[in-house]
Amino acid sequence: EIVLTQSPGTLSLSPGERATLSCRASQSVNDNYLAWYQQKPGQSPRLLIYGASSRTTGIPDRFSGSGSGTDFTLTISRLEPEDFAVYFCQQYGNSPLTFGGGTKVETK
Amino acid sequence: EVQLVESGGGLVQPGGSLRLSCAASGFTLSGYWMSWVRRAPGRGLEWVANINQDGSEKHYVDSVKGRFVISRDNAKNSLYLQMNSLRAEDTAVYFCARSSGWLPAYWGQGTLVTVSS
Repeated sequence: EIVLTQSPGTLSLSPGERATLSCRASQSVNDNYLAWYQQKPGQSPRLLIYGASSRTTGIPDRFSGSGSGTDFTLTISRLEPEDFAVYFCQQYGNSPLTFGGGTKVETK
Repeated sequence: EVQLVESGGGLVQPGGSLRLSCAASGFTLSGYWMSWVRRAPGRGLEWVANINQDGSEKHYVDSVKGRFVISRDNAKNSLYLQMNSLRAEDTAVYFCARSSGWLPAYWGQGTLVTVSS
């Protein structure tokens, strides 16, 4: 099983600032099948990024994904008020599919 | 418009059973892998199971193998999760998701399962 470790656990930032979220895998992710989701309280997760760096249709370009192998990053270039949420990474190249523990982006 | 609506959650005693359903609309269910994913209170997301387009291939997380069964009825545009021998640690919101390959891409709003005496 591939274990995904996200850091930091919580990120305290202000609107307009840049957010950098990390996801590290215990072994290489097949074909960089790494996704990022955003989840707000009471809502279902929303897919932001797949294939490590491809944005889902309709996701603003302030969200970008990068990385390969075992180290991946989600960057939000300038935080908007609606971006404060929990973010999860997930690998879908191997069974079982696994998620990271999440990073909460909160208002400073 | 793509819609996934889960139902069947509720309160059940340890050792009991529950069957979750996911009604799909706005797309052709038979064209997609489908997944169940859960989120326990105060915890992260956990993939539970997935199933291929015709139901011939299924995968499960180890913690539910032998207890949960994923199935589908494409004619009824429905996905199911039969949950047996439920444990307290199965308490969670259960989401069904339309998958792109194995990637859970579009999620329903979820249904809460509480296992407690």
